[in-house]
Amino acid sequence: QKEVEQNSGPLSVPEGAIASLNCTYSDRGSQSFFWYRQYSGKSPELIMFIYSNGDKEDGRFTAQLNKASQYVSLLIRDSQPSDSATYLCAVNPSGGYNKLIFGAGTRLAVHP
Amino acid sequence: EAQVTQNPRYLITVTGKKLTVTCSQNMNHEYMSWYRQDPGLGLRQIYYSMNVEVTDKGDVPEGYKVSRKEKRNFPLILESPSPNQTSLYFCASRDRGLQLDFGPGTRLTVT
Repeated sequence: QKEVEQNSGPLSVPEGAIASLNCTYSDRGSQSFFWYRQYSGKSPELIMFIYSNGDKEDGRFTAQLNKASQYVSLLIRDSQPSDSATYLCAVNPSGGYNKLIFGAGTRLAVHP
Repeated sequence: EAQVTQNPRYLITVTGKKLTVTCSQNMNHEYMSWYRQDPGLGLRQIYYSMNVEVTDKGDVPEGYKVSRKEKRNFPLILESPSPNQTSLYFCASRDRGLQLDFGPGTRLTVT
């Protein structure tokens, strides 16, 4: 069973700090990686995706991918209380064009 | 507005009473999928459809049926719901990439 693992949290950070969210995956052949944000009672919304090793930046968000170590992370700079949500990591496994495997999510709490 | 809609948003029913959750998208997406979300387990795929009249099982298809008679609609059918199907259900669609657009969710309780 191909798995995606995340620490459930909560990860608590002060406003203005950097929040670091991590995700590991078991399928070494995975090609595409996604971060979704889900507010309580709402549907997931895509924040970023990354395909290549290294960093990808979009505003306050940076996704980092290390395929050799099989982890992907999301950094949120200058964290705001509005960033408080659950962050879902999703992986497209090898041979699985039609699916994404989701982690259970990490709950982030940004306190003023 | 481009969106995925689901109905109903909330449903409480009893064991064995057939129900259908509708899903519709207005983005002309070929791919549609159903997920359930349970605490600690994340989103798990139930069924997906690559196009009209083409459906396939996901990871947790038992107890569910789907149909895809039109491109825009992808209903989820529970022929005989059981309490272990109490969950939060999301319909999603996508274009040729892998980024999913999710509907607002349907919270189902089976007593």
